[in-house]
Parts: sequence; C-alpha cells; structure tokens
Amino acid sequence: EAQVTQNPRYLITVTGKKLTVTCSQNMNHEYMSWYRQDPGLGLRQIYYSMNVEVTDKGDVPEGYKVSRKEKRNFPLILESPSPNQTSLYFCASRPRTGLNYGYTFGSGTRLTVV
Amino acid sequence: DAKTTQPNSMESNEEEPVHLPCNHSTISGTDYIHWYRQLPSQGPEYVIHGLTSNVNNRMASLAIAEDRKSSTLILHRATLRDAAVYYCILSTNAGGTSYGKLTFGQGTILTVHP
Repeated sequence: EAQVTQNPRYLITVTGKKLTVTCSQNMNHEYMSWYRQDPGLGLRQIYYSMNVEVTDKGDVPEGYKVSRKEKRNFPLILESPSPNQTSLYFCASRPRTGLNYGYTFGSGTRLTVV
Repeated sequence: DAKTTQPNSMESNEEEPVHLPCNHSTISGTDYIHWYRQLPSQGPEYVIHGLTSNVNNRMASLAIAEDRKSSTLILHRATLRDAAVYYCILSTNAGGTSYGKLTFGQGTILTVHP
C-alpha cells in the first residue's frame, strides 16, 4: 500500500532532550515536507525537500532540523525541544511530476514537550 | 503566497450534493487550485486539483471560473464520511522555492446530517 509512515504516533518528552520523528514513504516521491498543526494557526510548513540532499526552510523552521540522505526518508530532528514545540506534526510527500501530484500525508505525530 | 477565502462552515444532508466555494482573486497564471480535506484525527487528504479546466475524479468535481478568481468543489452525494475540514489552496508550479508548496488556510468545516 502506498503510504507515508511516521513514527512515533505519540510522544511525550522533557524540555531539552533531543528527539527524532521519522518519516518514510514508499512511493519514490521526490518531494517531502514537514508541517505542524496548531489550534487557530492551521497547518504551517516547517521544512521541505525537493530531492535527496536538497532541503530548505519553510515558514516556521526555528528549532528544527531535517536531513534527506535517502529518497524515502525525511526525519525531523528537534535538538533541544521546548514546550512551544508541542504540536501535531505531519509529514507529506508527492511526486515531482505526473497527472496526480497531490501530497500524501502521514497519520501524524502528536508531540508533547513538558 | 496568493490567498484563498472560504466560508468557515457549511452544512449538508446526507446523499445531497455539496458545493464548497473558494475565492482566490489574486491567483497568478502559474497557480494550480488544490483541494484537500482533513477528517477528524487524520492527516490531510488530497481531493482534487486543476489549473483552468473543470476536473472530475472519483472523489469530487472541481469547477473553475473562467477568470480563475473562484472555484467550487462539488461532492455529488455527501455521505457522513465526507464530514471534514476542506482546504482550498493555491500551489505554484512556476519553480523556485515556492514550487509545490501548500499554504493552508483555516478551511471550511463541512457538517453532514443523516
């Protein structure tokens, strides 16, 4: 089944403890992106990647890092999480071209930083 | 990014058609009109997209005004499973850093009554 898989689904952590949220897609998509969703603010793009080793900042990149060493994986790294990074995170991927190039989103990771 | 305007909420009855409007008066020639929906506790789901011509797929139809300043997502027979937040998004294919980027607004909350 074509899908974007995020892990973990739920995570509670403490301020300052480094964490990684993994994202993997099995559709050979070039494009991958991370979003966070907060009440009243909607979905905002954190980082995106147009292909392997090509990443760039989205609208709210502060406090986050990403890497794209392989086409299928796009992990989101929080080096020193803070409570304001408590949010619902979504990873998404899409092909660069094609008739149907809508994004496929993962099921989300709910992160709580205490 | 060009902005879209949608009603905050709409209601429909089951098995009736639903027309979800979207205004995008500042749309540029390279902007595609995308629709996504987000069911409760899930990631956004691609519904349909188009550039100038009306589009149909298994989920919905997209009617685009001749001047492209507005569009309508049509669900031909609403079901309870169609209750979701529907997002109308402009996404450029012009290249550069905004290529393929989705900027989500607040969307329209669709309620479907049995």
